[in-house]
Amino acid sequence: QVQLQESGPGLVKPSGTLSLTCAVSGGSISSSNWWSWIRQPPGKGLEWIGEIYHSGSTNYNPSLKSRVTISVDKSKNQFSLKLSSVTAADTAVYYCARNGIVGATMDYWGQGTLVTVSS
Amino acid sequence: EIVMTQSPATLSVSPGERATLSCRASQSVSSNLAWYQQKPGQAPRLLIYGASTRATGIPARFSGSGSGTEFTLTISSLQSEDFAVYYCQQYNNWPTFGGGTKVEIK
Repeated sequence: QVQLQESGPGLVKPSGTLSLTCAVSGGSISSSNWWSWIRQPPGKGLEWIGEIYHSGSTNYNPSLKSRVTISVDKSKNQFSLKLSSVTAADTAVYYCARNGIVGATMDYWGQGTLVTVSS
Repeated sequence: EIVMTQSPATLSVSPGERATLSCRASQSVSSNLAWYQQKPGQAPRLLIYGASTRATGIPARFSGSGSGTEFTLTISSLQSEDFAVYYCQQYNNWPTFGGGTKVEIK
């Protein structure tokens, strides 16, 4: 059973950089899956941020692309998210997820971590 | 960007009744459509992909249909654990989600 666990600071200052890591257990990040980040502002819907393959190939949401970097660390079986120049609008629960065998359908999710942008 | 529109925003249903949720895409997504269930404080759970294929472990009372721009999720007989928010998501292009339908107890 694949498990994902997000970690990182719960509070980030405006104009700073949000950094999160997703640790994968019960499976290899080098499998034939892409790995995604998704976020959900409090009380609102879901927004896909981007995805990465173990080779390092990435795809990003065009609306966030200028501020997002997703990277992978195969030695630690984890992948990471960096979002720069954050504002209060970036306050959300951030989820990491595994893309299933059929396109970008997320079949395993982390529990999510709330990141608040505030001074 | 492909905009996904879900209706209704809230659906009030009695246990044991059928629930029908709709999702419309702003342009054709073929059958590249998934449905998720989300309960309060939990991550979403994949229910359906490919518009009509149930994900592993999903009960048969959940069914999906449609292609192109019009999609439906049907829950044939609502159980207490089915009251939740449901999201559709297209993956024909970079993924986008609908705004969700909350299924509440009538």
